[in-house]
Amino acid sequence: AQSVTQLGSHVSVSEGALVLLRCNYSSSVPPYLFWYVQYPNQGLQLLLKYTTGATLVKGINGFEAEFKKSETSFHLTKPSAHMSDAAEYFCAVSDSGGSQGNLIFGKGTKLSVKP
Amino acid sequence: DAGVIQSPRHEVTEMGQEVTLRCKPISGHDYLFWYRQTMMRGLELLIYFNNNVPIDDSGMPEDRFSAKMPNASFSTLKIQPSEPRDSAVYFCASSRTDYTEAFFGQGTRLTVV
Repeated sequence: AQSVTQLGSHVSVSEGALVLLRCNYSSSVPPYLFWYVQYPNQGLQLLLKYTTGATLVKGINGFEAEFKKSETSFHLTKPSAHMSDAAEYFCAVSDSGGSQGNLIFGKGTKLSVKP
Repeated sequence: DAGVIQSPRHEVTEMGQEVTLRCKPISGHDYLFWYRQTMMRGLELLIYFNNNVPIDDSGMPEDRFSAKMPNASFSTLKIQPSEPRDSAVYFCASSRTDYTEAFFGQGTRLTVV
């Protein structure tokens, strides 16, 4: 069965610092991987997704993630944090060809950005 | 487009009462998803529809939960009778296909006292 583990329920960084949010997955078949962002009192918004091909995926708002099969990881990074990045971030996996009817979400990581 | 519209935004009800949550998907989207978000269990898919037909309801927790999609522009999630453990934020999302980005509504925060 597929699963997602997000290390750290809460990450705090200073404005301008590197953002690193960790995600490890378990899947019996090549996975499709997603990162979503949730701003306060809002629904989820897709940041980026990995399906096949290039393992470094670029998303919106300057975020990117790298699929590392050997480490079963899909960590999310941003070189320089901005105050507007404060939100909760969710990693998700699908082993059904990317079908959203089979997305399994991690518990989320809340990102705080200090001025 | 106005996006996915959910109503009400907040609902407080007493245990045992019937609760109905509503969702209007984005026009032209053939897929509609209902999710529940809690601190303990995170984000869980409850049920999803394709062209108004329920495809997978394996995430629906109990028979107290039911969902309908009478037409392409409207869906409901009903809980009868409601219990305190149903307290959560319920999200509706829609997508053009099963493999394209799903757009989420702002959610309904349900509190059952």
